[in-house]
Amino acid sequence: GIQVEQSPPDLILQEGANSTLRCNFSDSVNNLQWFHQNPWGQLINLFYIPSGTKQNGRLSATTVATERYSLLYISSSQTTDSGVYFCAGKAYNFNKFYFGSGTKLNVKP
Amino acid sequence: NAGVTQTPKFRILKIGQSMTLQCTQDMNHNYMYWYRQDPGMGLKLIYYSVGAGITDKGEVPNGYNVSRSTTEDFPLRLELAAPSQTSVYFCASRKQGIDEQYFGPGTRLTVT
Repeated sequence: GIQVEQSPPDLILQEGANSTLRCNFSDSVNNLQWFHQNPWGQLINLFYIPSGTKQNGRLSATTVATERYSLLYISSSQTTDSGVYFCAGKAYNFNKFYFGSGTKLNVKP
Repeated sequence: NAGVTQTPKFRILKIGQSMTLQCTQDMNHNYMYWYRQDPGMGLKLIYYSVGAGITDKGEVPNGYNVSRSTTEDFPLRLELAAPSQTSVYFCASRKQGIDEQYFGPGTRLTVT
């Protein structure tokens, strides 16, 4: 299966700071999603981004499929951004999704 | 739309007991998935289904069984529960041709 590596594993930010989270894939994927798992355990869809760049408020994501990585940018972080961020990918014509181990973000007031 | 719903939210099982985790989606999605999430880890695929009557194994299928008799429902069966099955279980679904998954709220299972 596809190996998914996320970095950094842990991140502590002061409120208002910016950050970049990275997701590397061992093989080509034609599908990539970013999720936020909040402190209550709920998985929230952030981006479905097989390639290119998308923005949603203070969050944006870029996927470079040919180089097998994706980046999640968080600007002007808030305490509500705390939680774990996961990326997940699927290879073309396959049905299985593979998740990274996540980046645990703690935004301090 | 309620989206993806899971029951129960929490459950404690004794070793050797069995139970069924329920998952229902009302979005008419063809694909449904079961994942488990161990503490501090990402999600691992247990089983998935591409439509009613069709299921297949994921990365960690041992100790579990599934069935898919309708488009809406995808129950996960644990037979002879073991402490290693203590985890949070998530169900997800997606529409054919669109690779974006939608997750249920999860079931927290403890086996003691």
